[in-house]
Amino acid sequence: NAGVTQTPKFQVLKTGQSMTLQCAQDMNHNSMYWYRQDPGMGLRLIYYSASEGTTDKGEVPNGYNVSRLNKREFSLRLESAAPSQTSVYFCASSRLADYNEQFFGPGTRLTVL
Amino acid sequence: RKEVEQDPGPFNVPEGATVAFNCTYSNSASQSFFWYRQDCRKEPKLLMSVYSSGNEDGRFTAQLNRASQYISLLIRDSKLSDSATYLCVALSGGSYIPTFGRGTSLIVHP
Repeated sequence: NAGVTQTPKFQVLKTGQSMTLQCAQDMNHNSMYWYRQDPGMGLRLIYYSASEGTTDKGEVPNGYNVSRLNKREFSLRLESAAPSQTSVYFCASSRLADYNEQFFGPGTRLTVL
Repeated sequence: RKEVEQDPGPFNVPEGATVAFNCTYSNSASQSFFWYRQDCRKEPKLLMSVYSSGNEDGRFTAQLNRASQYISLLIRDSKLSDSATYLCVALSGGSYIPTFGRGTSLIVHP
């Protein structure tokens, strides 16, 4: 059981470039989440998918899009990267969207120059 | 004002000490609460859920005080390996968006 996996682990982009962060879970969880973590700001929810086929905005969705490809996979896309998107990105999953603890992937460290 | 507030610390304690953290939440509709541990440059990992009746897991005890809207984490007999940031999380009933506190840093020294 790998749990939650994320690729890539590190990425450097130039302003205006696009990229997709990949996330997959093998725990048969229904819900998946994307967070960013910045120093002094804590974890902030970007988008979530309560169940396969649904996606919703979180606290800081601007500049991002997501795709719930299937039950296992949930990707995060930056269409035109900006320096303000330099952050550590964590994907998480939970069995159900409410009342359940979340399991996190190892994170992607993204720098936008 | 953030909905979940934690003292950022750091709490600097010697090995063997008992240390307690509090976390206050502002949304009275919050139903589920958790403590996560996050090591430097790693992902958060669930430490324990917090139940209304309180719960204990070895050296760790979590309590919920609904009247005063806070949760607490007590660590007894601190180990060097307990050094980490501790995040509290509140989730409102019917909401799918958990609210994370910014974390409390604990440093356990020899």
